[in-house]
Amino acid sequence: EIVLTQSPATLSLSPGERATLSCRASQSVSSNYLAWYQQKPGQAPRLLIYDASKGAAGIPARFSGSGSGTDFTLTIRRLEPDDFAVYYCQQYSTSTLTFGGGTTVEIK
Amino acid sequence: EEQLVESGGGLIQPGGSLRLSCAASGFSVSEIYMTWVRQAPGKGLEWVSVIYRGGETVYADSVMGRFTFSRDNSKNTVYLQMNSLRAEDTAVYYCARGTVGTTLLVRWGQGTRVTVSS
Repeated sequence: EIVLTQSPATLSLSPGERATLSCRASQSVSSNYLAWYQQKPGQAPRLLIYDASKGAAGIPARFSGSGSGTDFTLTIRRLEPDDFAVYYCQQYSTSTLTFGGGTTVEIK
Repeated sequence: EEQLVESGGGLIQPGGSLRLSCAASGFSVSEIYMTWVRQAPGKGLEWVSVIYRGGETVYADSVMGRFTFSRDNSKNTVYLQMNSLRAEDTAVYYCARGTVGTTLLVRWGQGTRVTVSS
């Protein structure tokens, strides 16, 4: 099983600032099958990024993903009030998919 | 428009059984991978099970032997039969739509809450 470790657990930032979230895998994620999801309280997760760096349909351009192998990053270029939420990474390269523990982006 | 609607959650005693349903519209559940994911109160996301296009299923170790993922193509609905429920199964259960060949979770239902308690 591929273990995903997200850091930091909590990120305290102000609107307009840049957010950088990390996701590290215990072994290489083949085909860079790594996704990022956003979840707000009381809502289901929403797909943001897939294949490590491709934006899902309808996702604003301020969200971008990068990385390969075992190290991946989600960047939110300029935080807007609607972006304060929990973010999860997920690998879908194996039959037993796994999620990271999540990063909470909170208003400073 | 694609949509997933879960139902069947509720309060159940330890050792009991529940069947969750996930009705899909806007796409065919037989043509893509479908997945169940759960989220315990205040916790992160946990993968539960996947069903492939050919009907094969894979389960997380935590539910193997107790949960069964099935599909009714005529109703465009997938199911999660949960037996021998434990307190640690308490969670919101989400069904999610994958793609033709991956468990990338493109679209999620709103979730159904399962509480296992005496």
